[in-house]
Amino acid sequence: IAGITQAPTSQILAAGRRMTLRCTQDMRHNAMYWYRQDLGLGLRLIHYSNTAGTTGKGEVPDGYSVSRANTDDFPLTLASAVPSQTSVYFCASSASLTPGANVLTFGAGSRLTVL
Amino acid sequence: GQNIDQPTEMTATEGAIVQINCTYQTSGFNGLFWYQQHAGEAPTFLSYNVLDGLEEKGRFSSFLSRSKGYSYLLLKELQMKDSASYLCAVHDSNYQLIWGAGTKLIIKP
Repeated sequence: IAGITQAPTSQILAAGRRMTLRCTQDMRHNAMYWYRQDLGLGLRLIHYSNTAGTTGKGEVPDGYSVSRANTDDFPLTLASAVPSQTSVYFCASSASLTPGANVLTFGAGSRLTVL
Repeated sequence: GQNIDQPTEMTATEGAIVQINCTYQTSGFNGLFWYQQHAGEAPTFLSYNVLDGLEEKGRFSSFLSRSKGYSYLLLKELQMKDSASYLCAVHDSNYQLIWGAGTKLIIKP
């Protein structure tokens, strides 16, 4: 089934621990994104990638890093988790960044709780 | 700053019509999107408007007025499964999507 796979679905993590959220797409989309969604706030962009080998910072990049070694995978790493990073994380992809071609397909989300 | 405003919550009756408004102030405009998000699930694409006017897609329609910085999503013949949050997002001049906080729509029998 074409789409985006995220893992883990849910995770409870101690503060200070390192955590990587995995994201894989099989649609051969060029652009990929990581968002966090918090109650009462809109989706906020953490990092994005236009194409394999390139990444960029979004609205809230601090405390997060990403890599894009190939077209399909776009992992998000929290180097040292803090409670304010408790959130639902969505990975998404689109054919490109070009308006009109930028319809996003989202993964099912990863719910992260940092204690 | 960039801002998108939507009502936080709306209630409507099954079979009725509801209009969800979205106003935006962004640096540039390259299109407006509506997404639907059921509780605990991922957002899914509903509509895209880049020119002024109404786009109709089955029971759902989306309207855009660029001069007023305004859009609405119109849902007709409401069904219980339409209970969800509806997210408005604008593509700005830097090719970034700016998201509203979403409107939670509650459908009552």
